[in-house]
Amino acid sequence: ETGVTQSPTHLIKTRGQQVTLRCSSQSGHNTVSWYQQALGQGPQFIFQYYREEENGRGNFPPRFSGLQFPNYSSELNVNALELDDSALYLCASSLRQLPYEQYFGPGTRLTVT
Amino acid sequence: AQTVTQSQPEMSVQEAETVTLSCTYDTSESDYYLFWYKQPPSRQMILVIRQEAYKQQNATENRFSVNFQKAAKSFSLKISDSQLGDAAMYFCAYRPDSGYSTLTFGKGTMLLVSP
Repeated sequence: ETGVTQSPTHLIKTRGQQVTLRCSSQSGHNTVSWYQQALGQGPQFIFQYYREEENGRGNFPPRFSGLQFPNYSSELNVNALELDDSALYLCASSLRQLPYEQYFGPGTRLTVT
Repeated sequence: AQTVTQSQPEMSVQEAETVTLSCTYDTSESDYYLFWYKQPPSRQMILVIRQEAYKQQNATENRFSVNFQKAAKSFSLKISDSQLGDAAMYFCAYRPDSGYSTLTFGKGTMLLVSP
């Protein structure tokens, strides 16, 4: 069984640029959630995708967008990067059935300068 | 909106001793799940233990157990026989048993384990 993987591991971008982060779900999982974890904080929910459609969204602006592909892998896109976007971005996959256990990837560390 | 509060930024314990991490939450839901996750320096969030709100019996996983007080909205984690490998950031998390399965996390408690 393959776990959740994310790429890249680390990324440095300049304010105003755009970034794409990638996530491969655990085998068989059809739901992907993205979280932002600022330094010293707990993860905050960005959005969730199920069957290639956004299925819920946290308190993040529209410049945070995503995609889910037929193989259930997913992308998180952030436009017009701001310094406050510097964080660890976590992807979690799950099945859409009880107990909806979420399995996390190792995250992508994004630094915006 | 649901909130999760962890009031202990850092806790210390010696090997083989027992430590308890605290968590309180606020919700108007009656059915929900509570979790404790461990995040070591490798950053990967690992599920430690899960509690269903409808179950009165406290969950136990080997050396890890919880004290779930639904009326008080309290959910503490007890780690027995602490090991060096238990050192990590611990997050308490909540998920309602409705809608999409998103998690609301607390700010975390850093657990230090000394020999």
